[in-house]
Amino acid sequence: SQQGEEDPQALSIQEGENATMNCSYKTSINNLQWYRQNSGRGLVHLILIRSNEREKHSGRLRVTLDTSKKSSSLLITASRAADTASYFCATDVGGNNRLAFGKGNQVVVIP
Amino acid sequence: NAGVTQTPKFQVLKTGQSMTLQCAQDMNHEYMSWYRQDPGMGLRLIHYSVGAGITDQGEVPNGYNVSRSTTEDFPLRLLSAAPSQTSVYFCASSYSILRLAATGELFFGEGSRLTVL
Repeated sequence: SQQGEEDPQALSIQEGENATMNCSYKTSINNLQWYRQNSGRGLVHLILIRSNEREKHSGRLRVTLDTSKKSSSLLITASRAADTASYFCATDVGGNNRLAFGKGNQVVVIP
Repeated sequence: NAGVTQTPKFQVLKTGQSMTLQCAQDMNHEYMSWYRQDPGMGLRLIHYSVGAGITDQGEVPNGYNVSRSTTEDFPLRLLSAAPSQTSVYFCASSYSILRLAATGELFFGEGSRLTVL
């Protein structure tokens, strides 16, 4: 079963705007990561947040984690056309050597 | 470095045919895995390996075999292809299972698009 589920599924924004997407999960986790996938390409790791962290920044990316609500959000500030991609959250449930991926969030940034 | 290399990029099979998707990495990664990606389903783990000679099943292993005779290679075999196996397959690796747990970073190949008629 899918551990993570992103919401909303698709987002279309103007260049320069911020993009926010959410991910929920069902069981306790050790960490949560976000990946980006450009059309027709493999996934690229963006950022990881551990279960004992609440917020993390990396460049224009800001990730939050609320373990009480079992949810995370990814914010991309000042979006660019190159940010057009699908974004996936992935969780490390721990103890089973696996990453469970969500269904993905498609973001289109209009120049 | 080439990173994670998958071949072929595209393949069309008939039902019942067999084939092997190749995956090779040149980063000396201990951990390797195979995922399939289907529309609306995200990525689902098929098989994974924590080192040479060690493999284990993921979420959707049925219909697929793997082996890990070397650190570099992790082929995925379809013994008798079915239309339900039409998908995009991704190989991904990490330095080790410990590093995966610490950093969460998987390195992905570019994918192999398989169509089973």
